[in-house]
Amino acid sequence: EVQLVQRGGGLVQPGGSLRLSCAASGFILDYYWMQWVRQAPGKGLVWVSRIDNEGRTKYADSVKGRFTISRDNAKNTFYLQMYSLRAEDAAVYYCARGAPGSYKFDQWGQGTLVTVSS
Amino acid sequence: DIVMTQSPLSLPVTPGEPASISCRSSQSLLHSNGNHYLDWYLQKPGQSPQLLIYLGSNRASGVPDRFSGSGSGTDFTLKISRVESEDVGVFYCMQALETPLTFGGGTRVAIK
Repeated sequence: EVQLVQRGGGLVQPGGSLRLSCAASGFILDYYWMQWVRQAPGKGLVWVSRIDNEGRTKYADSVKGRFTISRDNAKNTFYLQMYSLRAEDAAVYYCARGAPGSYKFDQWGQGTLVTVSS
Repeated sequence: DIVMTQSPLSLPVTPGEPASISCRSSQSLLHSNGNHYLDWYLQKPGQSPQLLIYLGSNRASGVPDRFSGSGSGTDFTLKISRVESEDVGVFYCMQALETPLTFGGGTRVAIK
């Protein structure tokens, strides 16, 4: 079965760090452009970052310099390392599988909640 | 950044009746390869989003044929030919022409 299983998330203090992971099963990550999308409570979807099949990365301006996306092809898993977390980063974070070119997000993880609070 | 604007914000629907959602982008989503980089997603209550339509008009695998996407340039439409009770949730359009990828604000569909 094709699926994305997310781990990580939780409560972190402002300024803290957290790493989210997204493990793929039923397919090989290599070919796809993998994405992170977040959703603040009661709000809409916001794209956060992507890593393509050659390891090139892109970020939303709001997280650039604080978040790092990476992939471990041997583990068929990709990650979002988040540093210097702010209250406005609190959200449910979803990982998603995209086609080359970053469209067609046809598989999504179950989502993981990140809470930033002291 | 490309701004995506959806209308209406809320759409009460009657099962069996058609429904339509509009999505406009602040610039053309036409790529030089001839494709429009516009996707539609549905987020059902308590669930992750799911892909409905990609590249403007291509129905994703497993999506019922009552869903259709159309449009070009900056104006796009998602149509549901006959709404069913399982179609409730928030519909989002997303442009994938350039980063940052951007979503519309969402259209909440509810049964009357």
